Amino acid sequence: RKEVEQDPGPFNVPEGATVAFNCTYSNSASQSFFWYRQDCRKEPKLLMSVYSSGNEDGRFTAQLNRASQYISLLIRDSKLSDSATYLCVVGGRTGRRALTFGSGTRLQVQP
Amino acid sequence: DADVTQTPRNRITKTGKRIMLECSQTKGHDRMYWYRQDPGLGLRLIYYSFDVKDINKGEISDGYSVSRQAQAKFSLSLESAIPNQTALYFCATSDQGEGNNEQFFGPGTRLTVL
Repeated sequence: RKEVEQDPGPFNVPEGATVAFNCTYSNSASQSFFWYRQDCRKEPKLLMSVYSSGNEDGRFTAQLNRASQYISLLIRDSKLSDSATYLCVVGGRTGRRALTFGSGTRLQVQP
Repeated sequence: DADVTQTPRNRITKTGKRIMLECSQTKGHDRMYWYRQDPGLGLRLIYYSFDVKDINKGEISDGYSVSRQAQAKFSLSLESAIPNQTALYFCATSDQGEGNNEQFFGPGTRLTVL
């Protein structure tokens, strides 16, 4: 079983739609959670950190469910520019353990 | 100028050749990482270094070696390249501190081994 699992998609949605991605992780000791965004053939970039209380940044909302060991990302009012691959990323209890990346969920927003 | 740079950006080589990929950063971060990315497999960690004297194997270190020449430089070597090392390679850096901090990635090196 992979440490971090994501549905690869693609999710094809019209502009203005709301779309949600989930990600599950296997290590219950994980303490740090992130969503990264990666455009085609480009480097990943941090989209947002995921906190226990959940967090929102504009049209993006991230939630963490420790009991079920999953993380979600909700995108409201999708824009064409949101088309990308979204990587779920999990880190260990301390900084000694490097991050583990999911293989990503591809989103295609269509006009 | 980019904070994390990688050279070369593209490289085509033959089986058995020795290849070095270089990474430099101007962010002043202590931690540096090498990943490879393959379609459908996501990013996999090859090696990471938490300071100049602290180097650790990652998930897929076989066939690779690294050198941390200075805080700002971390190079990845393929001693004898093989075709299944064809991939997109990323270097990343992060700051120290409790927990895991944001990682900043270089633009990547696309390596093809024939």
